[in-house]
Amino acid sequence: DVKVTQSSRYLVKRTGEKVFLECVQDMDHENMFWYRQDPGLGLRLIYFSYDVKMKEKGDIPEGYSVSREKKERFSLILESASTNQTSMYLCASKGGYNEQFFGPGTRLTVL
Amino acid sequence: DQQVKQNSPSLSVQEGRISILNCDYTNSMFDYFLWYKKYPAEGPTFLISISSIKDKNEDGRFTVFLNKSAKHLSLHIVPSQPGDSAVYFCAAIPYGGSQGNLIFGKGTKLSVKP
Repeated sequence: DVKVTQSSRYLVKRTGEKVFLECVQDMDHENMFWYRQDPGLGLRLIYFSYDVKMKEKGDIPEGYSVSREKKERFSLILESASTNQTSMYLCASKGGYNEQFFGPGTRLTVL
Repeated sequence: DQQVKQNSPSLSVQEGRISILNCDYTNSMFDYFLWYKKYPAEGPTFLISISSIKDKNEDGRFTVFLNKSAKHLSLHIVPSQPGDSAVYFCAAIPYGGSQGNLIFGKGTKLSVKP
C-alpha cells in the first residue's frame, strides 16, 4: 500500500512566522502535489512537482513556495504566514496510474 | 471559472437505499474521471474511476456512470451504509495532463441515516 505521511496533523502558528509542512511518500512516485482544502471551495492545487528539484505552480501559488530535494520528500513553505492561510493542507503523490494518494492532512491555524 | 461542478453541497439518504452523487464538467477535453471520499480530519481516499472511452465502471457497491454528450457523471452507491457518510469529491484529468493534475469539484457531503 502507498503511504503518504505529513509531518504534523495540527499546527498553530503566528502571523509572520515561516512555516514548513513536510510530506514523505514511500512508493518511489515521480509526482507530488500540495493542495489546500477550505469549506465550500473543495481542493485547490498550490504547487506540484514531477521530479526532484522540479516544481510547477498550481492554481493558487501566491504566498507559498516548495522544495523537492529528494524524490520521496516534498515540502510546502509559507514564507510569512497570514491568517488567510489557515486551512487544511493535503499532500498527494502519484505514480504511473491516474490515482493520486493523499496523506492525512495538516490542519494549520494562523493566529 | 469552475470546470468541475458538484451542484449539491449535501445529500441525505436512508440506510439501504441508493445514493446518487452528481458531477458536471465543462471541458470536453477531460480524459479521465475519479471519485474520492473524505472523512473529517483525514485525507481523501480514492474510490473509483472511469476513462472517457467508457460509460460505466463498477466496483462492488459503487458504480460510476459517464454521459459524455451531457458532460455529466454520477456515482451510485447501493446499498448505502452509515459508514458511507463522508464528503465525496469528483475530479477530472485533462487530456494530455501528463503529470496527472486533478481538477476537483467542491464536494458533496453524504449523510446516510440508520
